[in-house]
This record gives sequence, structure tokens and C-alpha cells, in this order.
Amino acid sequence: AQKVTQTQTSISVMEKTTVTMDCVYETQDSSYFLFWYKQTASGEIVFLIRQDSYKKENATVGHYSLNFQKPKSSIGLIITATQIEDSAVYFCAMRVPSSGQKLVFGQGTILKVYL
Amino acid sequence: ETAVFQTPNYHVTQVGNEVSFNCKQTLGHDTMYWYKQDSKKLLKIMFSYNNKQLIVNETVPRRFSPQSSDKAHLNLRIKSVEPEDSAVYLCASSSTGNYAEQFFGPGTRLTVL
Repeated sequence: AQKVTQTQTSISVMEKTTVTMDCVYETQDSSYFLFWYKQTASGEIVFLIRQDSYKKENATVGHYSLNFQKPKSSIGLIITATQIEDSAVYFCAMRVPSSGQKLVFGQGTILKVYL
Repeated sequence: ETAVFQTPNYHVTQVGNEVSFNCKQTLGHDTMYWYKQDSKKLLKIMFSYNNKQLIVNETVPRRFSPQSSDKAHLNLRIKSVEPEDSAVYLCASSSTGNYAEQFFGPGTRLTVL
């Protein structure tokens, strides 16, 4: 069975700083895909960034990047130069090919960015 | 506009009633999903359909049943709702492929009195 764990319930940071959100996962499969999604206050869920298990390079999209540490089964999300509008709930998720196309989500981390 | 659309936005009903939620995607995807998000924001997969065929059916009560008329539509019916069914139900779609990201609809908030 697959499991995704986000231990940070809530993080508060000052605008324009860098924040890292943690995520660890469990799977017996050698091939898997890791995703980060953002849920805004309106409830909208949007895809941010993805890491394929077989890729060594950390993914980067805009001011989002990943810290993929495969031996530790860890996939941290790094947001640089945070903005007020980055305030949201961030979900880490995993898909394992052998389990169909479902996503298994972590519990989410609330990010609050203040001036 | 290409997106995932859900109706209704909200629904309030009483225990024992039947409800149906609709989902339509105009993204040309062939896989659709239903997720349940509870009051603690936990997101859990319920069902997944690929080209009108059920491919994922998590352990959900039998009163929940998905219905797909074509690959662009995936509805959810709940027979005889119970208080613990109060949640936000999110529909999503994606192209085929494990690397493909999922696009989510705005959700339907169900309140069972």
C-alpha cells in the first residue's frame, strides 16, 4: 500500500522569503510519480510541479522547485520569493502505476505568507 | 472554455435521501476521478474511470455509485445519504499516463442534516 505523509500542519513566513514544505512517502514499487498541488481559499486545486522517480534532477517550475531525496523517500517543495498569494494549502501526492491512475494525497500543509 | 465543471456547487439534504452530482470535462481527457475531501481537508480517491470503464474503486460504501455516459462525463450518485457523507466531492480528469497531472473541478459541498 502507498502512503504519503506531511507532518507540518501549518507554516507562517514573511513575504519574499523562501519556504520548504516536507513530504515523505512509502511504496514498494520502483517506479512512481510525485506531485504537489495547491488548494486556494476558494477551494480550487491546481497542479504545481511533478517529479518522476527515475529522474535524478530536481524539478523546477517558476518559483517552485523540489528537493527529491530518493534514499529518504522524501520530496520537499521549495517556494522562493514567496508572495501573499502563495497562501494556501499545499498537498503532496503520489501515483504508483501498479495501483491504477489514482493519486494518494498527504494531509496537506497550510502556508500563510504575511507582509 | 476548457476545464472541469461540477454541479451543483452546494447541496443540503436530509439523512436517507438520494443525491446526484454531475461532472463534465472539456479538456479532451479520457480518465476521470471522484475524490472526497472531509472537514479536515483530507483528500481520498473514490473512483476512477478510463474511457467509461471503471479502473479504480476504493473501499467506499455501496450507497455510492459512479455513472459514466461517455469519457467527458462522470456523475456520482449517493443512495440514502448518511451524516458522515457530509464533505466536498471533487471531480478531476487527466490524460492517460502515470505522469499526467490531474485537473480538478471546483467541488460540490454536501451537507447532510
